[in-house]
Amino acid sequence: GAVVSQHPSWVICKSGTSVKIECRSLDFQATTMFWYRQFPKQSLMLMATSNEGSKATYEQGVEKDKFLINHASLTLSTLTVTSAHPEDSSFYICSARLGTGQEETQYFGPGTRLLVL
Amino acid sequence: AQSVTQLDSHVSVSEGTPVLLRCNYSSSYSPSLFWYVQHPNKGLQLLLKYTSAATLVKGINGFEAEFKKSETSFHLTKPSAHMSDAAEYFCVVSGWENQGGKLIFGQGTELSVKP
Repeated sequence: GAVVSQHPSWVICKSGTSVKIECRSLDFQATTMFWYRQFPKQSLMLMATSNEGSKATYEQGVEKDKFLINHASLTLSTLTVTSAHPEDSSFYICSARLGTGQEETQYFGPGTRLLVL
Repeated sequence: AQSVTQLDSHVSVSEGTPVLLRCNYSSSYSPSLFWYVQHPNKGLQLLLKYTSAATLVKGINGFEAEFKKSETSFHLTKPSAHMSDAAEYFCVVSGWENQGGKLIFGQGTELSVKP
């Protein structure tokens, strides 16, 4: 149980185009999902918290107009990288939260590798 | 404030020998602690979690961790390393009480397993 998928697993795009990444909780409902970015040989950096039916909460320094997040259902959150540039190339990972309070656990997707040319 | 420190950035062991990955945490609240493993170009997989029940937590693939409040530690161990254990390991504390469920990550420990 507690499986999270991401699509696509990798994507190559031209500079200036937009890319959408999907994050799905396959066997549970998640009112809250998280989007992370990971640079090589580094830990995960939280970009934003995605809440079903409401606006996402972005971490300091993350441009909300560049990284659009939509959480339209209890099993799907999407991250759109708008007008992508080479510096946006990275590994993007989502997670979905299961449980509440001290029992809550985040389950992670397999990640999406983005390369912007 | 909560924080996590993984004491070793890289650990190398021989196959069949014990594994010890060290983690210390700081938390003003009752912490929830996790160990996740990440294989190259993959997402994070939950190994085990501590949430104030038994202090010795058993996880998947033979891993276990012991919560020691007096030492503020949550070290990950495995009696016998396997080649497939080679990966990046993250010790994580949950900010469920004061940070909206955000996770605070350690910097990671890369485990190498020699044949």
